[in-house]
Amino acid sequence: NAGVTQTPKFQVLKTGQSMTLQCAQDMNHEYMSWYRQDPGMGLRLIHYSVGAGITDQGEVPNGYNVSRSTTEDFPLRLLSAAPSQTSVYFCASSYSIAGGKNIQYFGAGTRLSVL
Amino acid sequence: EDQVTQSPEALRLQEGESSSLNCSYTVSGLRGLFWYRQDPGKGPEFLFTLYSAGEEKEKERLKATLTKKESFLHITAPKPEDSATYLCAVEPGGGNKLTFGTGTQLKVEL
Repeated sequence: NAGVTQTPKFQVLKTGQSMTLQCAQDMNHEYMSWYRQDPGMGLRLIHYSVGAGITDQGEVPNGYNVSRSTTEDFPLRLLSAAPSQTSVYFCASSYSIAGGKNIQYFGAGTRLSVL
Repeated sequence: EDQVTQSPEALRLQEGESSSLNCSYTVSGLRGLFWYRQDPGKGPEFLFTLYSAGEEKEKERLKATLTKKESFLHITAPKPEDSATYLCAVEPGGGNKLTFGTGTQLKVEL
């Protein structure tokens, strides 16, 4: 199993450009989520999905869109990149969110710079 | 609002020098408390889940404990390979979102 795979690993954008960060998992996990990690801020939840066709907002959703058409894939779209979106983005998946079993497995991250 | 505070922010130990990392939390009905390890340039790696006060879990040189207000990650006789950032997260009883602390950056020197 590859686990959680994120692409690309690095990306530089200009302000106003759009792009999609890809995330795929091969563990048949129902729950998937996107976080951003900034110095001194910890991991902050952007969007999450409890299954195909179901998504919801996290703590910092503005400027980002998601969709979940399959169990395996959960792409994150930046509609119009801003310098404030410079960050490291992590995708995570979990087998179950029931009864405290929300053990999340993380990808290696995408390092994004917006100039 | 759920909150997680980790201390210290950074910790430098000599090899073999045992110590503890702290994770204080406030959450509306704790469903689970999670410890992760994060190496530079990588994603967090799951270590432990604790569910109720008094629970303890061990893995090699690491032992995690939980009270109603905080969790400790005890590191016994650490080695340089234990150097990493250790993250704590809580899951509230009414939701399916994790709230993370900012982490403790541990460096173990020879």
